[in-house]
Amino acid sequence: DTGVSQDPRHKITKRGQNVTFRCDPISEHNRLYWYRQTLGQGPEFLTYFQNEAQLEKSRLLSDRFSAERPKGSFSTLEIQRTEQGDSAMYLCASSSEPVLLYNEQFFGPGTRLTVL
Amino acid sequence: SQQGEEDPQALSIQEGENATMNCSYKTSINNLQWYRQNSGRGLVHLILIRSNEREKHSGRLRVTLDTSKKSSSLLITASRAADTASYFCATGPIVQGAQKLVFGQGTRLTINP
Repeated sequence: DTGVSQDPRHKITKRGQNVTFRCDPISEHNRLYWYRQTLGQGPEFLTYFQNEAQLEKSRLLSDRFSAERPKGSFSTLEIQRTEQGDSAMYLCASSSEPVLLYNEQFFGPGTRLTVL
Repeated sequence: SQQGEEDPQALSIQEGENATMNCSYKTSINNLQWYRQNSGRGLVHLILIRSNEREKHSGRLRVTLDTSKKSSSLLITASRAADTASYFCATGPIVQGAQKLVFGQGTRLTINP
């Protein structure tokens, strides 16, 4: 296992289409996070899973966004009816159980979404 | 919303010089982390400093934390062209169960050969 992987790396879609991204975390990590990063900004938290349970969702995650982690391993992030404002880099990260609240999150390479 | 603010937003120096980046944050934290991001790629974890620590070193990196001023600095000594990247500070939660990292806007560092 060489790290967190994401697929696809790039996605170009037309406004109104649905898109789905996949994240494969480091195998022994039980926590998985999704962040969104727009150009020139730092990543912003979207949601996180502990095993298969989605424990926190940002208000950035509108009802057009849904994330799943069905078996506690890989995760998918789906955006329905994409809008141009959804254009961003979507980053996935994973971590092991934190010790004393300290957790290093390992990031994947990201999926860059462009909505035309 | 972003918690931290990095200063400067962009920094350009000559290879071999030291680079200092600053980060300020707003709320109480458990830890502060620095990440590097090469253009268009994922983030790489550099160093974590706990709220009860004041300074930490890792190779050519030196991080300081002043919780009274809610600020941190990252010093890269003897910079190399490969250090060209964006650098982000991220604060870790103080509340058990809240695991998100809150990132600043980043400093874009350019090392000129």
